[in-house]
Amino acid sequence: IRLTQSPSSLSASTGDRVTITCRASQAISTSVAWYQQKPGEAPKLLIYPAGTVQSGVPSRFSGSGSGTDFTLTISWLQSEDFATYYCQQYYDFPFTFGPGTKLDI
Amino acid sequence: EVQLLESGGGSVQPGGSLRLSCSASGFRFRDYAMGWVRQTPEKGLECVSAIGAKGADTYYSDSVGGRFFISRDNYRNVLYLEMTSLRAEDTALYYCAKSTPVGNRPAPDAFDSWGLGTMVIVSS
Repeated sequence: IRLTQSPSSLSASTGDRVTITCRASQAISTSVAWYQQKPGEAPKLLIYPAGTVQSGVPSRFSGSGSGTDFTLTISWLQSEDFATYYCQQYYDFPFTFGPGTKLDI
Repeated sequence: EVQLLESGGGSVQPGGSLRLSCSASGFRFRDYAMGWVRQTPEKGLECVSAIGAKGADTYYSDSVGGRFFISRDNYRNVLYLEMTSLRAEDTALYYCAKSTPVGNRPAPDAFDSWGLGTMVIVSS
């Protein structure tokens, strides 16, 4: 199952609202996770399944979607949110990741 | 606190072998599926292998099937990845990752905890 993400990079400012899209090559129900990765760190799970924010993740993060189209939205960008974001499908093995969206200032 | 500590990475010639280990603590290791995810700047993130909580169910990506072998020791709380017939394209940072709870299903879902990774370089 191939995942594409758009945009591949995004420039924004603190306080902005941004949306990242992930599209699957086939229907995968809501079996999508979103991760945040900062340089030199491991990915951090933000959302799993598609619409559920993980405990401890700020409420400005939200996810939605089912089938083939999914979105990650950050409603009020903070300085610590500038990072790379990946979607992942776990509908079927091999699990696959999107190519990432780099969010910078 | 969940901790995952990978070890065993290093430099190896093409065709060689390595065994990665991941020492787990801070959770009931035997209750969770686990996986190995590798990352390169060129190819991004790739889940190369996963294993069910009991160790009976194993999964491999097409790129490593038949060359890599995942296993676990639920008494010592250690996850392994035996890598054979290594190729230049296996060069990557390898992460050990813990699955979210999956109940009685053998396969993992998303990964909610990750180690810091161990680097594998395959080069002559």
